[in-house]
Amino acid sequence: DAGVIQSPRHEVTEMGQEVTLRCKPISGHDYLFWYRQTMMRGLELLIYFNNNVPIDDSGMPEDRFSAKMPNASFSTLKIQPSEPRDSAVYFCASSFDRVVTEAFFGQGTRLTVV
Amino acid sequence: GENVEQHPSTLSVQEGDSAVIKCTYSDSASNYFPWYKQELGKGPQLIIDIRSNVGEKKDQRIAVTLNKTAKHFSLHITETQPEDSAVYFCAAKTPGTYKYIFGTGTRLKVLA
Repeated sequence: DAGVIQSPRHEVTEMGQEVTLRCKPISGHDYLFWYRQTMMRGLELLIYFNNNVPIDDSGMPEDRFSAKMPNASFSTLKIQPSEPRDSAVYFCASSFDRVVTEAFFGQGTRLTVV
Repeated sequence: GENVEQHPSTLSVQEGDSAVIKCTYSDSASNYFPWYKQELGKGPQLIIDIRSNVGEKKDQRIAVTLNKTAKHFSLHITETQPEDSAVYFCAAKTPGTYKYIFGTGTRLKVLA
């Protein structure tokens, strides 16, 4: 398995533009997570899905952030409009539906908003 | 909700020495405690984990200990090597949710 695949790896955009980050989880995994990593706040959980359904989006910082999972093999995280403070590395992770299980992380997308 | 604190934030050791990273958690119901290693430009990768019904687990040079009463767990790396240099994250998961709450990370430098 290729693991969790994220695209793009790097994104530079101007303030006010829409940004879409993409994730392909590991085949067969039931859970998908979106995390944001910054120096100041570390790894923050933004939202997670179970069987394509959003379960907990309490970590989504503002209405400018939205996430979708139209099918079991694809998810997007969208920021509209983007702001410089959104600059961070965004990770997608997936895991099996088991009592205790590890989460497998993608390589991340480094977003820079100028 | 769960809160995980991790110390130290940076750690430098000489090659061959041991390194210890400590984490505390707040929710006594948490039952799964993974440790992740993140190398530069990569996503975190699981290196060892422990469940709440176990006090210690070892895998070659790395070990994790869990004290449920005190609500803390630690990562021990023995005979450190330069390739152990990375950022290490602890995490905790509470039953009934699939939220992994991460510590703030420890940047480990192994000096050759």
